[in-house]
Amino acid sequence: EPEVTQTPSHQVTQMGQEVILRCVPISNHLYFYWYRQILGQKVEFLVSFYNNEISEKSEIFDDQFSVERPDGSNFTLKIRSTKLEDSAMYFCASVARDNNYGYTFGSGTRLTVV
Amino acid sequence: AQSVTQLDSHVSVSEGTPVLLRCNYSSSYSPSLFWYVQHPNKGLQLLLKYTSAATLVKGINGFEAEFKKSETSFHLTKPSAHMSDAAEYFCVVSEGRDNYGQNFVFGPGTRLSVLP
Repeated sequence: EPEVTQTPSHQVTQMGQEVILRCVPISNHLYFYWYRQILGQKVEFLVSFYNNEISEKSEIFDDQFSVERPDGSNFTLKIRSTKLEDSAMYFCASVARDNNYGYTFGSGTRLTVV
Repeated sequence: AQSVTQLDSHVSVSEGTPVLLRCNYSSSYSPSLFWYVQHPNKGLQLLLKYTSAATLVKGINGFEAEFKKSETSFHLTKPSAHMSDAAEYFCVVSEGRDNYGQNFVFGPGTRLSVLP
């Protein structure tokens, strides 16, 4: 069964550093998403991406965050200057079309900011 | 706007006994509903989904859920718990939006413990 692949599985970074989290969505999917889960808290929506632009974003997704689909296969989340509170599990997801067949999630990247 | 309530933050059952994880939702439109499971230090795995077909949905690992519109519920059940079922379970509601992708709204999660 097709999978969404996320790399790395775990990243440790110093506060203030830039990080890029990488995702390879399923090849025929059109919509892409990032979610995060702070330890012990709910899974929260960050951003959705369609047709090479952001379609929706939450208030969490401030100017420190950006997304990109640089080459038609990868989908990246960049955090420009990490803060301690950015430590979380970040999940990438993709879906084939806009009719509620459900997302396929990656296994997540655990980001630890020290 | 849609929302999801999972009534129990923690459920504990004995191995071999039934599992019931409760979920209620609110939605302005006809929603799609999902259950995801997250094992420790793992990603989110889809257990089952309801997308306006049969109201009783069967998923993987013996789980099933019934969509009850009158009760706005989508409870997850399994007849007999196994030790490997111990995990966090998330109920999720989704509404499609014209011309855009969807986003999911996650419930807060229910931690299932299975006792030997």
